[in-house]
Amino acid sequence: AQSVTQLDSQVPVFEEAPVELRCNYSSSVSVYLFWYVQYPNQGLQLLLKYLSGSTLVKGINGFEAEFNKSQTSFHLRKPSVHISDTAEYFCAVRGNTNAGKSTFGDGTTLTVKP
Amino acid sequence: NAGVTQTPKFQVLKTGQSMTLQCAQDMNHEYMSWYRQDPGMGLRLIHYSVGAGITDQGEVPNGYNVSRSTTEDFPLRLLSAAPSQTSVYFCASSLRQGHYEQYFGPGTRLTVT
Repeated sequence: AQSVTQLDSQVPVFEEAPVELRCNYSSSVSVYLFWYVQYPNQGLQLLLKYLSGSTLVKGINGFEAEFNKSQTSFHLRKPSVHISDTAEYFCAVRGNTNAGKSTFGDGTTLTVKP
Repeated sequence: NAGVTQTPKFQVLKTGQSMTLQCAQDMNHEYMSWYRQDPGMGLRLIHYSVGAGITDQGEVPNGYNVSRSTTEDFPLRLLSAAPSQTSVYFCASSLRQGHYEQYFGPGTRLTVT
C-alpha cells in the first residue's frame, strides 16, 4: 500500500518570498515521486519528478524538490515566488507494482500575494 | 498532438440519468485512468486501464463503468447518476506505469441535481 500526506492545505506567501510545500509518503515498495501543478479550471501538469540518482530535482518555473529517503519526504521549494505561481500543487507517488496506480496527496493551495 | 481531450466540459444531470464522459488521447499511451476531484480530497482513482481490452477498478469504482476497445479511447459511464457523483472528472494517460508521468485532460465538471 502507498499513501501521500501533504502537510499544509493552504500556504499564503508574499511575492518574491521563498516557499516550501511539504510532502511525506509511505510505501512498502519502491516508488517514483512526482509534483504536479493545477492552475484554476485546468487539468494537472507535471512540475518535476524523482526517479533515482541525485536527490535534488529541478523542474519547470524555477521549482525544485529534494528527496529524503530516511524521512520519506519530497518537499517542493522555490526561492522567489511570483503572482503567477498561485495554484494548487499535488504530490504523487507511483510504482512499478500495484498495476502502476498513482496515489495523490490532498493538495496544497499556494496563494501568492502582492 | 492534441494530448488528452475530454468532452463535455460541463454537464448537468438529474438523479437517475445516465451518461458517458468521453476521453481520448493521441500519444499512443498504454495506460489510461479516470479520477474524480472533490474539494480537499485530492484526486481519487475511479478506474484504470493498462491497455486495450484491459480495465480494472480503482479506489472509488461504484456507480461507474469503463471499457477500452481501442488504445486511444477510454469512456467513463455513469449508470444512474446520484448527487454524490457531483465532482470534477479528469482523464489521464501515460506511456506505461512506473516512472512515467501522467498527462491530464482539462476535466469535466459534472453536477447531479
